[in-house]
Amino acid sequence: GDSVTQMEGPVTLSEEAFLTINCTYTATGYPSLFWYVQYPGEGLQLLLKATKADDKGSNKGFEATYRKETTSFHLEKGSVQVSDSAVYFCALNGGNTGKLIFGQGTTLQVKP
Amino acid sequence: GAVVSQHPSWVICKSGTSVKIECRSLDFQATTMFWYRQFPKQSLMLMATSNEGSKATYEQGVEKDKFLINHASLTLSTLTVTSAHPEDSSFYICSAGGLTIATEAFFGQGTRLTVV
Repeated sequence: GDSVTQMEGPVTLSEEAFLTINCTYTATGYPSLFWYVQYPGEGLQLLLKATKADDKGSNKGFEATYRKETTSFHLEKGSVQVSDSAVYFCALNGGNTGKLIFGQGTTLQVKP
Repeated sequence: GAVVSQHPSWVICKSGTSVKIECRSLDFQATTMFWYRQFPKQSLMLMATSNEGSKATYEQGVEKDKFLINHASLTLSTLTVTSAHPEDSSFYICSAGGLTIATEAFFGQGTRLTVV
């Protein structure tokens, strides 16, 4: 079945450092890919998405490119801030069912 | 984006009692909603798909008699944890939308359930 794998966390960075969180997926067909962010004690918020190969999703300085050849959707940000500290989930939607498949989540901690 | 409201945000209950969690779509109609469960420092696991006016569809391994889902209107789905036990303590999150492959889902704030 479909699956999503994220890099293990936690990831600890200093403010203004470069961030990469790896995400790879397995799916039949052509899924849409998402990054969601979860702040402590809260639900999930969509950070960005890409719906087809080579699409780049971007939001709030975060970017991710849908790479079909490597089945990846790595999240990047050039300069992280303390306020970016959260848990980041990579997810895929493989069809018109509404069911999302999530990766295990990666905790990011940014220190001043 | 659309707003999904979940209530309560947190609840503490005694073993053996039942707890109801509500999930509302505030500015759109949701014929389908989803219930997820999240264990500490782990990912979200889909529990069931809630369908307005019909029975919920449960994922494999989820006890339908323990986790009762009711979707009585186009804007409200409820999850009732019956005869709760400490192992039911978890973070429960609902979502709506995202029914087509390219559209996003909208999540409630989540409910932290602690069974003592």
